Amino acid sequence: NAGVTQTPKFRILKIGQSMTLQCTQDMNHNYMYWYRQDPGMGLKLIYYSVGAGITDKGEVPNGYNVSRSTTEDFPLRLELAAPSQTSVYFCASSYGTSSSYEQYFGPGTRLTVT
Amino acid sequence: QQPVQSPQAVILREGEDAVINCSSSKALYSVHWYRQKHGEAPVFLMILLKGGEQKGHDKISASFNEKKQQSSLYLTASQLSYSGTYFCGTLYTGNQFYFGTGTSLTVIP
Repeated sequence: NAGVTQTPKFRILKIGQSMTLQCTQDMNHNYMYWYRQDPGMGLKLIYYSVGAGITDKGEVPNGYNVSRSTTEDFPLRLELAAPSQTSVYFCASSYGTSSSYEQYFGPGTRLTVT
Repeated sequence: QQPVQSPQAVILREGEDAVINCSSSKALYSVHWYRQKHGEAPVFLMILLKGGEQKGHDKISASFNEKKQQSSLYLTASQLSYSGTYFCGTLYTGNQFYFGTGTSLTVIP
């Protein structure tokens, strides 16, 4: 199993541009998450999904959108990129709710907005 | 409202022990622990469930005090490979997962 894969690994955006960060998992996990991690800081939840067609906001959703049309894929869309969105973005998945199940992380996407 | 960890940073010599604490202002129903090495993704270490059940690492132990809303991670006989940043994490409302503030651990020879 590849686990959780993310593309691209690195990206530089100009202010106002848009992009989609891709996330795919091959573990048949129902739950998927997007986090951002600013330099030297902890991870903050952007959006999560408990299954195909179901998404909900996390702690820091402003400036982002998500969709979940299949169990495997959970893309994150950045609209009108701003310097404050410079961060490392991690996608994660878990078999079930985090009250009982661990999360598996992808390698991350390092995004710089200038 | 994220969990608060202490200490923020610790430096150990190989073979020494360390304790990392995680405190919550809200009720805890389960606690996760992850380790993140520089430039890498977090890796799952352990999950502690209400009622005392633990799942995870065989060389790292942890405790979970539901009444005090605290968890502690115990690293014994530390190895160089233990270096990294440790995060606790927990579920609060619905499925909103919050990671703690993090503890940087450096093990030196």
